Amino acid sequence: AQSVTQPDIHITVSEGASLELRCNYSYGATPYLFWYVQSPGQGLQLLLKYFSGDTLVQGIKGFEAEFKRSQSSFNLRKPSVHWSDAAEYFCAVGRPNTGNQFYFGTGTSLTVIP
Amino acid sequence: EAGVVQSPRYKIIEKKQPVAFWCNPISGHNTLYWYRQNLGQGPELLIRYENEEAVDDSQLPKDRFSAERLKGVDSTLKIQPAELGDSAVYLCASSFLARRAGRQYNEQFFGPGTRLTVL
Repeated sequence: AQSVTQPDIHITVSEGASLELRCNYSYGATPYLFWYVQSPGQGLQLLLKYFSGDTLVQGIKGFEAEFKRSQSSFNLRKPSVHWSDAAEYFCAVGRPNTGNQFYFGTGTSLTVIP
Repeated sequence: EAGVVQSPRYKIIEKKQPVAFWCNPISGHNTLYWYRQNLGQGPELLIRYENEEAVDDSQLPKDRFSAERLKGVDSTLKIQPAELGDSAVYLCASSFLARRAGRQYNEQFFGPGTRLTVL
């Protein structure tokens, strides 16, 4: 069975501080991996994705994530957080070669304080 | 290019009433998903269509939920009758399957969702 774990339900950081959101997955092979962001009342927007190749992935809005096979992790990072980054962040896992099955984590809520 | 369109954005109904949600996916995307997102949770798949065929509806509560995707384009999700526990955001997403480096992959694009409140 596949699962996605986001261990941190809620994180608070100061504006300008660095950020790391954790994501661990359970899957027998290398999945493809996504991070989405959801602002209040909005749908999910893709931040970045990993399919293969370079394990450090750059995304939009200054975010990056690193796939670590040995740790089954795909943590999201940003060196300097802006107040507009306050939102809900979801990690998602897709199963290669089955096409279209996705599994989402429960999300991490980010609060940014001035 | 327009994204995934959903309507209505908000709906408030009394329990036992019917409700329907509509989704128009991105043009050319053959896969369409309906998700339910409860407060403080991630999206949970209700049903997945490949063109007009429902290929995964294992999580759809079939006693009260139904969906259709006639002609393999837009889709409707219906609840009849609605219960208090159905209050949630209903998200529609679409995707296009591609191949790269010998692997299939796709990327889902989400609509803004319909926030349903059942009183």
